[in-house]
Amino acid sequence: DGGITQSPKYLFRKEGQNVTLSCEQNLNHDAMYWYRQDPGQGLRLIYYSQIVNDFQKGDIAEGYSVSREKKESFPLTVTSAQKNPTAFYLCASSPDRASGNTIYFGEGSWLTVV
Amino acid sequence: DAKTTQPNSMESNEEEPVHLPCNHSTISGTDYIHWYRQLPSQGPEYVIHGLTSNVNNRMASLAIAEDRKSSTLILHRATLRDAAVYYCILRVHAGNMLTFGGGTRLMVKP
Repeated sequence: DGGITQSPKYLFRKEGQNVTLSCEQNLNHDAMYWYRQDPGQGLRLIYYSQIVNDFQKGDIAEGYSVSREKKESFPLTVTSAQKNPTAFYLCASSPDRASGNTIYFGEGSWLTVV
Repeated sequence: DAKTTQPNSMESNEEEPVHLPCNHSTISGTDYIHWYRQLPSQGPEYVIHGLTSNVNNRMASLAIAEDRKSSTLILHRATLRDAAVYYCILRVHAGNMLTFGGGTRLMVKP
């Protein structure tokens, strides 16, 4: 089935460690996004990419990094510079930037700092 | 991105219709109105979207005001599985993101 796959579902990070969250899509979508969601809150954009080898910062990019070497993959690295990384992370994709296009979401990844 | 305003929460009885309102007074002519819903610990799920005309699909109906400054998501017969947080979002033409606010938490009573 076509869709977006995020892994792992649950991840624990020690203080000072970098961790990488995987996001893969087989929908042939150009645009991909990473969002962060804190309990009881809406989604906030971290990074987005409209095309391979290009990405832009969203509203809360500090302490995060991404790459877009392949169309289907958009991994997110949570670096040690992110002071409060415990949250629910959502990856999404869309055919392109047209406003009539639907955005599809993965099932999310829970990151907890221990 | 233009902002939307939704009530924090609503309650409904099972099997009854539910009307979820959304105000978006700063909407531009090319902005689409999208609705998503989210269950706990899951990614948001697409529900419906529209531009000017009312829209129907298997999940819901979307009624858009003539001036497009508000819209209403209609669930025709609420079920317990419809209990979720519903987000009303404006997608700006050639914009780079969706802006999610707090949404409306819908509770369905048996």
